Amino acid sequence: QVQLVESGGGVVQPGRSLRLSCAASGFTFSSHAMHWVRQAPGKGLEWVAVISFDGTNKYYADSVKGRFTISRDNSKNTLSLEMNSLRAEDTAVYFCARVGSTWYVLSYWGQGTLVTVSS
Amino acid sequence: SYVLTQPPSVSVAPGKTARITCGGKNIGNKNVHWYQQKPGQAPVLVISYDNDRPSGIPERFSGSNSGNTATLTISRVEAGDEAGYYCQVWDSSSDHWVFGGGTKLTVL
Repeated sequence: QVQLVESGGGVVQPGRSLRLSCAASGFTFSSHAMHWVRQAPGKGLEWVAVISFDGTNKYYADSVKGRFTISRDNSKNTLSLEMNSLRAEDTAVYFCARVGSTWYVLSYWGQGTLVTVSS
Repeated sequence: SYVLTQPPSVSVAPGKTARITCGGKNIGNKNVHWYQQKPGQAPVLVISYDNDRPSGIPERFSGSNSGNTATLTISRVEAGDEAGYYCQVWDSSSDHWVFGGGTKLTVL
């Protein structure tokens, strides 16, 4: 079955960088677009970024554009999120999600990894 | 940017019907997807494309979408339905995916 396992979260100081990974299994990774979605403590879901199945198309939320970079390695079934110039407001659980029949719906989600930006 | 508005909370007695709304300008012209999230867990897709139920989702869950409001309806509510529910659309004008603020469903 579809499995998505995030890793790379932790505590990081403001202004520093962090790289998140999402290991995918149980499906043909190279055939599906992938998203990152985050959730600040006690808050709702916020879409972060999406990457097409082949990595050629990427879109970002305004709140992270220019600071975060989404990428994928289809040979390793891995999705990544490079986060630079981190701010306190980036503190959240970060989920990776696989799309369904189209990239407009997020059909499968990982359990998330917590990123805490604090001095 | 496109905004989706949900009531913060909805309460319902077991066995009754819960309706959770999602408001947005001309949302009836968009495809709406709904997610359920229980505390400490990842979201789960419960309705896609306004009213399609993924495999494994009970028939008690249904959706509708018209005008400026989309609605998730949960019939014969059970204690296990207590969770946060989020609507989501794709905004073509910005190529952004947008979530509503979420609604906490409490089963009395």
